[in-house]
Amino acid sequence: AQSVTQPDIHITVSEGASLELRCNYSYGATPYLFWYVQSPGQGLQLLLKYFSGDTLVQGIKGFEAEFKRSQSSFNLRKPSVHWSDAAEYFCAVGVVSGFQKLVFGTGTRLLVSP
Amino acid sequence: DTAVSQTPKYLVTQMGNDKSIKCEQNLGHDTMYWYKQDSKKFLKIMFSYNNKELIINETVPNRFSPKSPDKAHLNLHINSLELGDSAVYFCASSQTQGMTEAFFGQGTRLTVV
Repeated sequence: AQSVTQPDIHITVSEGASLELRCNYSYGATPYLFWYVQSPGQGLQLLLKYFSGDTLVQGIKGFEAEFKRSQSSFNLRKPSVHWSDAAEYFCAVGVVSGFQKLVFGTGTRLLVSP
Repeated sequence: DTAVSQTPKYLVTQMGNDKSIKCEQNLGHDTMYWYKQDSKKFLKIMFSYNNKELIINETVPNRFSPKSPDKAHLNLHINSLELGDSAVYFCASSQTQGMTEAFFGQGTRLTVV
């Protein structure tokens, strides 16, 4: 069965410091991978996605993620965090089997300290 | 010009009541979804509709009945609400061909008291 693991429930980063959020997936076929962000009281906004090709993908708000097939990982990174980045981050794998759906990880809450 | 819009944003109701959540998308997508986010923030798909036809029902109780009058709308009706139904419900839409990203609404926070 497909699954996504985000091992860090909470992460605190100082403003201006770099960030890496971890994501590991389990999926038998070629994965379609996504990172979404949920700000407090808001919906889910797509940060970036990986379907194929270059394993380093660029997203919005200065985020990037690297797909590593050998490690079944799709970690999210940002070189310099801003206070407005404080939010919940969800990694997801897209499953296509006659239909499509997203299987989400449990999320990582990012706190940004001054 | 919100892409995926849900109403209401907040819904507080008593156990046993019946309530509906509405969702509309103006992206021209063929597929719409309902996802449930529980109190631990875990997101899980409930239903998926493609061109008004149900294609995914992830073992959701019969008290939950989605209805899609056209491919731009997917409403969720819940009968006999229970305390455990309290959650945030997200509507989403996507294109049908292959895997594409899903666009989410702002969510409806349902509280059953």
